Amino acid sequence: DGGITQSPKYLFRKEGQNVTLSCEQNLNHDAMYWYRQDPGQGLRLIYYSQIVNDFQKGDIAEGYSVSREKKESFPLTVTSAQKNPTAFYLCATQNARTSGRNEQFFGPGTRLTVL
Amino acid sequence: RKEVEQDPGPFNVPEGATVAFNCTYSNSASQSFFWYRQDCRKEPKLLMSVYSSGNEDGRFTAQLNRASQYISLLIRDSKLSDSATYLCVVKPNFNKFYFGSGTKLNVKP
Repeated sequence: DGGITQSPKYLFRKEGQNVTLSCEQNLNHDAMYWYRQDPGQGLRLIYYSQIVNDFQKGDIAEGYSVSREKKESFPLTVTSAQKNPTAFYLCATQNARTSGRNEQFFGPGTRLTVL
Repeated sequence: RKEVEQDPGPFNVPEGATVAFNCTYSNSASQSFFWYRQDCRKEPKLLMSVYSSGNEDGRFTAQLNRASQYISLLIRDSKLSDSATYLCVVKPNFNKFYFGSGTKLNVKP
């Protein structure tokens, strides 16, 4: 099946620990994005990548890191420097090569809770 | 000022009603516009893109008003299954998307 997978679905972390959230896609899309969503709020951009081995900070990158070694994969690490990491994390892709609609597609998300 | 603003609602309507949501955006150079639907604790899913001339998909109609910098979504003959949060999304002329905080719709029997 084509699509975007995120794992794990639920993640619990102790304060002071780094955790890595997985995002994999087989849509052959160039661009990938990480967002966080807090209750009752919109999505906020953490990092995005338009091509392999290149990525840019979004609006709330502090305390997060990413890598883009393969087109299919864009893992997000939540470091201990992130002060309020409990949130719903969403990975998205976009087929940046096509003109026209170029909408985003989302994975099912990872719900991170810091204990 | 936020890039995209929406009335959070909730809009509580009976089945069969017509309901409309508006969304305003701040960047006049924005090129692409979308409505997404998000069910509770799920990922957003594309409902429809919004084209300059307006577009319709079944019971859903989207309009764009560039002069006033707003987009709208009209839902006719509301169904119980339309209950969700509707996210307005604006894409300026580079590879970033800006999301509104969403408008919650409750369709009652």
